[in-house]
Amino acid sequence: GQQVQQSPASLVLQEGENAELQCNFSSTATRLQWFYQHPGGRLVSLFYNPSGTKHTGRLTSTTVTNERRGSLHISSSQTTDSGTYFCATRNNYAQGLTFGLGTRVSVFP
Amino acid sequence: EAAVTQSPRSKVAVTGGKVTLSCHQTNNHDYMYWYRQDTGHGLRLIHYSYVADSTEKGDIPDGYKASRPSQENFSLILELASLSQTAVYFCASSDRGISNERLFFGHGTKLSVL
Repeated sequence: GQQVQQSPASLVLQEGENAELQCNFSSTATRLQWFYQHPGGRLVSLFYNPSGTKHTGRLTSTTVTNERRGSLHISSSQTTDSGTYFCATRNNYAQGLTFGLGTRVSVFP
Repeated sequence: EAAVTQSPRSKVAVTGGKVTLSCHQTNNHDYMYWYRQDTGHGLRLIHYSYVADSTEKGDIPDGYKASRPSQENFSLILELASLSQTAVYFCASSDRGISNERLFFGHGTKLSVL
């Protein structure tokens, strides 16, 4: 089945620093998505990005499908960015998403 | 903003007991899912449904049943709860359009089986 690997597992930032989270997947057929999990547990969809680059606020998602990788860039990090970021993919034959283990981000003032 | 509501928000169950987790969506989405999250794991798919009155097995269906009586409602049923089913359960819904199939999650249900 689809395999999804995220790196790093955790990341500590000082407020204002930039960060890049990586996602590698095993199949070239993807429906890559990024999610943010609040420290309290709530999961929020950030991006659906099967290929190319998308922006929202200080977040940028880039997916290079034929290289089987995606990234999430956080610019000018804020303490409210703290939480866990998951990437997930679905190939053409799967009905549900396969999730990575997440990158835990901690931003300190 | 799409809305997925789960109930209860938390539950304590006894081993061998029956547990029903409920999910309601107002997104008019065809697809609904049940995932579980365990410490140290990402989310894993238990069951899903793409139409009312039909459910499909996900990646870890053993010990769980699902029910989709209407487009809006999707339940997860643990007939004989076990200690290993202690986890946080998330319901989600999505559309399957060509350009977008974002997943929208409920708040989660924390289940403790004692």
